[in-house]
Amino acid sequence: EAQVTQNPRYLITVTGKKLTVTCSQNMNHEYMSWYRQDPGLGLRQIYYSMNVEVTDKGDVPEGYKVSRKEKRNFPLILESPSPNQTSLYFCASSLGTLYNEQFFGPGTRLTVL
Amino acid sequence: AQRVTQPEKLLSVFKGAPVELKCNYSYSGSPELFWYVQYSRQRLQLLLRHISRESIKGFTADLNKGETSFHLKKPFAQEEDSAMYYCANITGTASKLTFGTGTRLQVTL
Repeated sequence: EAQVTQNPRYLITVTGKKLTVTCSQNMNHEYMSWYRQDPGLGLRQIYYSMNVEVTDKGDVPEGYKVSRKEKRNFPLILESPSPNQTSLYFCASSLGTLYNEQFFGPGTRLTVL
Repeated sequence: AQRVTQPEKLLSVFKGAPVELKCNYSYSGSPELFWYVQYSRQRLQLLLRHISRESIKGFTADLNKGETSFHLKKPFAQEEDSAMYYCANITGTASKLTFGTGTRLQVTL
């Protein structure tokens, strides 16, 4: 089944403890992106990648890192999480460019204590 | 900064009533606008895009460049239309997608 998967789906952690949220797609999509969803703020783009080894900042990149070593994977890294990074995170991918439909993952709910 | 504005957080309508979800954008270039929908316990998914000029599940949206709007409309609301709706615009040399804050549509009997 063509889809975007994220792991873990739920995570509770403490301030400063490094964590990685994985994202994988099996549709051979070039474009991948991370968003965070917060009440009243909608979805905001954190980082995106146009292709392997090509990443760039979105609107809210502070405190996050990404890498794109393989086409199918786009992990989100929080080197030193803080409580203001408590949020619902979505990974998405699309074929070629954003003009094509973005397919979203199921979301990862992160709580930083 | 490019912005997408959805002025209503919640829109409550009766079944069978017309629906209009508002979306306004601020973008100096040619807008590329989308409506995404998130049904309860489902993933965010594309509803429609302005370049396709299509009607999906009875919804349509027309780009009005004069009013910089892309409102989503449906003549007769159904219960299954209850969901969170997001308007979005491609920005940043077609590399970034900016979402509005979303409108929750609640269709009641």
